[in-house]
Amino acid sequence: DIQMTQSPSSLYASVGDRVTITCRASQFIHRYLNWYQQQPGKAPRLLIYHTSTLQSGVPSRFSGSESGTDFTLTISSLQPEDFATYYCQQSFSVPDTFGPGTKVEIK
Amino acid sequence: QVQLQESGPGLVRPSETLSLTCTVSGGSIRSTSHYWGWIRQSPGRGLEWLGSIFYNGDSHYNPSLKSRLSVSVDTSASRFSLQVTSVTAADSAVYYCARVYGGNSGYFDVWGPGSLVTVSS
Repeated sequence: DIQMTQSPSSLYASVGDRVTITCRASQFIHRYLNWYQQQPGKAPRLLIYHTSTLQSGVPSRFSGSESGTDFTLTISSLQPEDFATYYCQQSFSVPDTFGPGTKVEIK
Repeated sequence: QVQLQESGPGLVRPSETLSLTCTVSGGSIRSTSHYWGWIRQSPGRGLEWLGSIFYNGDSHYNPSLKSRLSVSVDTSASRFSLQVTSVTAADSAVYYCARVYGGNSGYFDVWGPGSLVTVSS
């Protein structure tokens, strides 16, 4: 199975901050990397698929990029509704695997 | 707007079979662009993909659980189902159904709200 790691596991930030979350795959996944946001008690919500394509309805302050096996989710200006846990997922090969999550908390 | 809704018992006895159903509304389960999948989430295991199925019955499973999993589809009722046999406490989790875009291994673009399943005697 392809292992996914995320860093940091948690971070504290303020409204308006620029936030960057990194996800690393244990092997090459050819940009088949997706990002989800999960609010407490809710199902995950797709934000970005295939590394950098914004899902319909997702604000443009969210963006994704990659460098080799490292992938980055950036929130350009953190909003109150963005405090949540973020997960990456690889869809390059079965079984799909998720990262352990990054919790974004209010400073 | 496609919506998914899980249903099934919230409590399952150890060694028994966990059964959940996901009802699809607002769209067709016969979509040729989507599979339909099951994912679970627990504090110890995080998010874990279990399996996915196409409307024609083509199914794929997580190899680590394959011997205990079964996913089926009922297109006439617009629903698909999950069975996990011989459950233990480690199978306690929130179970989500989701729509999969991009083949049997893709991204999950629509999710159900989740169904909490506890395995306990």
